[in-house]
Amino acid sequence: GAGVSQSPSNKVTEKGKDVELRCDPISGHTALYWYRQSLGQGLEFLIYFQGNSAPDKSGLPSDRFSAERTGGSVSTLTIQRTQQEDSAVYLCASSLNVGNPGELFFGEGSRLTVL
Amino acid sequence: AQRVTQPEKLLSVFKGAPVELKCNYSYSGSPELFWYVQYSRQRLQLLLRHISRESIKGFTADLNKGETSFHLKKPFAQEEDSAMYYCALRGSNYKLTFGKGTLLTVNP
Repeated sequence: GAGVSQSPSNKVTEKGKDVELRCDPISGHTALYWYRQSLGQGLEFLIYFQGNSAPDKSGLPSDRFSAERTGGSVSTLTIQRTQQEDSAVYLCASSLNVGNPGELFFGEGSRLTVL
Repeated sequence: AQRVTQPEKLLSVFKGAPVELKCNYSYSGSPELFWYVQYSRQRLQLLLRHISRESIKGFTADLNKGETSFHLKKPFAQEEDSAMYYCALRGSNYKLTFGKGTLLTVNP
């Protein structure tokens, strides 16, 4: 497709379970970003990749969160031992490269609900 | 550290009235500022960026370094402008930091 694709679009899980969220960026975009969107908190930066490397992991809330990117394309955000406070919409975005002074293209998000 | 503040969570205006969505930032270097918009049931998308000095859908925003502000303005609001608006800042580390957003409602 032409846009950033995320899956699953919705995920309901039980507290303590692990979840994986996937992001497929726009072809040719070398930069990839993960954000978390929750009510009243806006967009919270989690991590970004330039190629397969993650220069800035400062936004990951805890060591239960991890992300990887392989082949300079698809990225996976993994949350281990989910907690109720992890419930949010997880947004992925891509751009041509981190130095490009402009636009991030966002996916539709993965809505995570932890019961 | 870089920070973006949008003081208004909610803003309601009538159609045809002027609208201003406030954004203030904190950053020690030269920032790049953006406005992103999310319409109902749509993806977050770029509205405008300060370096382009452009007007999109009638919206403009001027970077005021003295006041560290980047307020979004439109002289005559339309119902289709109703959306969530996010101000964002990119610093030298390339991280894009967003404010908490302002939900704009334009009433008929």
